Amino acid sequence: GAGVSQTPSNKVTEKGKYVELRCDPISGHTALYWYRQSLGQGPEFLIYFQGTGAADDSGLPNDRFFAVRPEGSVSTLKIQRTERGDSAVYLCASSSRGGLSNEQFFGPGTRLTVL
Amino acid sequence: SQKIEQNSEALNIQEGKTATLTCNYTNYSPAYLQWYRQDPGRGPVFLLLIRENEKEKRKERLKVTFDTTLKQSLFHITASQPADSATYLCALPFYGNNRLAFGKGNQVVVIP
Repeated sequence: GAGVSQTPSNKVTEKGKYVELRCDPISGHTALYWYRQSLGQGPEFLIYFQGTGAADDSGLPNDRFFAVRPEGSVSTLKIQRTERGDSAVYLCASSSRGGLSNEQFFGPGTRLTVL
Repeated sequence: SQKIEQNSEALNIQEGKTATLTCNYTNYSPAYLQWYRQDPGRGPVFLLLIRENEKEKRKERLKVTFDTTLKQSLFHITASQPADSATYLCALPFYGNNRLAFGKGNQVVVIP
């Protein structure tokens, strides 16, 4: 069955460039989460969408990071003026509704490398 | 500060034995706790959720306990198989249940 998909699977960019990472959640899932995972660490929360609105963006590290979900399905994470410290795997997850007692389904992630 | 601690050393275990992993937390009062499995190059996969009023939860060969007094959860894989080799993550909700905080994960290697 169709799970959460993320594109691209790998992205290599140069310091200072702009990147967009895309997440296609499971159809019908209203809740969508973005996480960042560095090597040897667990996923770190970035932002949570309920429908089209960002219900909690307090995990975004600074104003270079922004995410949208205009139609309540696909989401795009945007990073401006990338820095080497942004290199990580960016994970997207969706669940059938909000509230963390509901199972989250994760995508395979986008590995971002900033040179 | 809030912490979730999992053993950073990999657990090497013989096939057929029981693997036991520990998740300790401080400065949290979670209503529930989740365990995930993560394979290299893949996203985490949800395994089990245990609520604060549940002492134990089972799913096939997996068993999870949750002790809110000790602030600890134990994760057991019974009759372990090489296919169980992976990293296992515990996760807790915080900040009004919108944020899921993960531990670093604990790698399990099952030796045939």
